[in-house]
Amino acid sequence: DTEVTQTPKHLVMGMTNKKSLKCEQHMGHRAMYWYKQKAKKPPELMFVYSYEKLSINESVPSRFSPECPNSSLLNLHLHALQPEDSALYLCASSQEGGRRNTGELFFGEGSRLTVL
Amino acid sequence: LAKTTQPISMDSYEGQEVNITCSHNNIATNDYITWYQQFPSQGPRFIIQGYKTKVTNEVASLFIPADRKSSTLSLPRVSLSDTAVYYCLVGDTRAGTASKLTFGTGTRLQVTL
Repeated sequence: DTEVTQTPKHLVMGMTNKKSLKCEQHMGHRAMYWYKQKAKKPPELMFVYSYEKLSINESVPSRFSPECPNSSLLNLHLHALQPEDSALYLCASSQEGGRRNTGELFFGEGSRLTVL
Repeated sequence: LAKTTQPISMDSYEGQEVNITCSHNNIATNDYITWYQQFPSQGPRFIIQGYKTKVTNEVASLFIPADRKSSTLSLPRVSLSDTAVYYCLVGDTRAGTASKLTFGTGTRLQVTL
């Protein structure tokens, strides 16, 4: 199983709503990532979890709150978002360490978020 | 982190070989060069990775000169389905998440008949 599964595929929310994006992988990867991608722009790194601990936060506003309940799951909790937060949110995973680790990122298909 | 520079876009006809060059002048000793492909509304997909000289797999070749300050992704005989954005990333991928990878602007390849 080489898949990273993201739900929901599409999400529309108002600025006062609270919602969550979910990501799941069963490849035994111990690193998981959230990226944000605006139209015609490259993915921008938001958060990195390594062994279920937050290792990188790229100065993301607190209205985005990541959570890693276990090694297979990664959530992104959304609250009080702004219309400019509308984007494709991509989850990825990779191996951590090991001599054969190439650092390859496995991406999900993304969750398309629209904030009204 | 090594910054990368790629052409913004390229056009090709089906059946031709396409070479996309990436410049990474401040690549570090432990850095690897990795290329990803992204179709619209999908996550990027790993294509190939190399450290030096030439690497080939079933979909592409990667040429890296001795000074490693640039690299060239070569796609043999492209088809319409190769129309996508191609990203070059440089970083110490063996170090795991200790080396966060940054996507550059990418190259938008358009293949036509």
